Parts: sequence; structure tokens; C-alpha cells
Amino acid sequence: GENVEQHPSTLSVQEGDSAVIKCTYSDSASNYFPWYKQELGKRPQLIIDIRSNVGEKKDQRIAVTLNKTAKHFSLHITETQPEDSAVYFCAASLPGNQFYFGTGTSLTVIP
Amino acid sequence: DVKVTQSSRYLVKRTGEKVFLECVQDMDHENMFWYRQDPGLGLRLIYFSYDVKMKEKGDIPEGYSVSREKKERFSLILESASTNQTSMYLCASSLRWDRGYYTFGSGTRLTVV
Repeated sequence: GENVEQHPSTLSVQEGDSAVIKCTYSDSASNYFPWYKQELGKRPQLIIDIRSNVGEKKDQRIAVTLNKTAKHFSLHITETQPEDSAVYFCAASLPGNQFYFGTGTSLTVIP
Repeated sequence: DVKVTQSSRYLVKRTGEKVFLECVQDMDHENMFWYRQDPGLGLRLIYFSYDVKMKEKGDIPEGYSVSREKKERFSLILESASTNQTSMYLCASSLRWDRGYYTFGSGTRLTVV
């Protein structure tokens, strides 16, 4: 199976700064990499995803980059706001297989 | 517009009880999953199902079983609850293996005393 590692486990940033969360995966056949945001007491929700044929994807203040050679992918949040405070999970998926999740990053944005 | 519904938000059960956690999705998804979420351990897959009456073990199936008699419903069963099964349980569904992301339910916080 796949093994996904996520760092850091906790991250605090000042409002307006950028936040970066990194994940590595073990199986080079993985081809889909979603990111989920889970606010306190709520369900995880997809915020952005990327497929292995793309190196970068942006959606307003969030972006994801993928380095297939190094087998790592990162979530970038710019101009952070207090409402960005949440737990973020990365995941990797092999073709035709379930998702393997990282252990999560608790992001705190300090006003 | 809730699409994955878990029947209970909070449950308190006694050690040794048989516990049923229910999950229903209204999106006609083929795949359904049960995860448990624990601090520092992230989301760990217990069981999944890719079709009615089909089930596959995930990473931590011990002490659990599942049932999928209808496409929209996926039940997680704790045959004899133990205190180490105190956790947040999340159900998820996806359209197909090669299509779509997971949609999660709101979770069931189970406490076994």
C-alpha cells in the first residue's frame, strides 16, 4: 500500500502570512492528491486536489504543488486569515484504490 | 444540503455492548468507507465497500465488522465494544474508484465506558 507522511503536525502563523504544509508519499504509482480541511467539530471537506499529470494548481489563496520525482506535494495558503484555522489532511491515491491520509496539520492563524 | 448522514453525533456505550453506527448517502455513490480519527494518528481506514454486499478490510479492521445491504447505507458494527474503541468515526463515500473525491459525514463521537 501507500504511506503518506505529513509535516508539520502543528503550525502557527500570523494573519496575513503564508502557510505551507508538506506531504510525502511512497508509491510512485499514486496519481491523485486531494487536500481536506476540517474545522473544529465539522466534517473534512475537500479544498483542492491535483492529479499526477499536473505540477501546480491554484484556487484563489490556496495552491498545491506536486513533485513526482521527489514524491512530495505541498499545500500553500497565502494571506492567511483566522478562518483558515483548522486541521488539514493530505491524501494520496493509487489508481483504482482508496485514499491514504496523512496524520493532519493543525493550523492556527493568529490575528 | 447534507449528502452523507451519520445517524448519531454522540454515543456513549458500555464495554461489551454491540454498537451499530449507521451511514447513509444520497448521491448514488458506489464506494463507502469507515474511518476512525484519533489525535496524532489522522484518519485510519477500518473497512470499505465498493458495491452492495461487498466489503474489504482496511488498515485496522480488528474488532469491527460492516454491512452494506443497500447501496446508500453502510453500517459499522462493533461486536463487543471496548474502551480502546473510543474515537471519532467518520463515514465517507465516493462516486467510483477513478472518479471523484470523498464526501465525508459529520462524524460520530463514540465513548465506550
